[in-house]
Amino acid sequence: AQSVSQHNHHVILSEAASLELGCNYSYGGTVNLFWYVQYPGQHLQLLLKYFSGDPLVKGIKGFEAEFIKSKFSFNLRKPSVQWSDTAEYFCAVNARSGGYQKVTFGTGTKLQVIP
Amino acid sequence: NAGVTQTPKFQVLKTGQSMTLQCAQDMNHNSMYWYRQDPGMGLRLIYYSASEGTTDKGEVPNGYNVSRLNKREFSLRLESAAPSQTSVYFCASSVPGLVNTEAFFGQGTRLTVV
Repeated sequence: AQSVSQHNHHVILSEAASLELGCNYSYGGTVNLFWYVQYPGQHLQLLLKYFSGDPLVKGIKGFEAEFIKSKFSFNLRKPSVQWSDTAEYFCAVNARSGGYQKVTFGTGTKLQVIP
Repeated sequence: NAGVTQTPKFQVLKTGQSMTLQCAQDMNHNSMYWYRQDPGMGLRLIYYSASEGTTDKGEVPNGYNVSRLNKREFSLRLESAAPSQTSVYFCASSVPGLVNTEAFFGQGTRLTVV
């Protein structure tokens, strides 16, 4: 069964600091990878996605993620965070399971940016 | 487009009561999902439906039933609510396949069981 691990549960950064959130997945076949963001009180929104091609994916609001197939990783990065980036971030994998496509989420990382 | 619509947005139930959470999507997606979100546990899949007429259990199906009424609608039913089912519930939908398969989420239902 596919699974997703996010190692950082709660991250606190000052504005302008650099961000890297870890995500590892376990699945041997072809996967699609996603990062979603959930701002306080809101639903999940797509931040970026990887399907194929360039393993360095750029998303909205200056976020990017790098797919490293050999490490089964898809870490999220941002060079300089802002207070408005305070949110919870979820890594997700979409892969075939039991004959169907299924999306599996990590447990999330809460990011708190201090002005 | 409305996207994914969930009703109700908030609900308080007494232990033992039943209720149905409704979800509808207007994007012609085949796959639909119900997740629950709890602090520190992320999103856990309750049930999913790969297509109309099919449903499968996810990680935490106990205490829930689902119905895929048609391609648009996927409802989640709690037959006898328990305090452990206090959570935020999200419905999602996606296009199956390996192209353009991001999930789209509803606004969530905050359920409290007392």
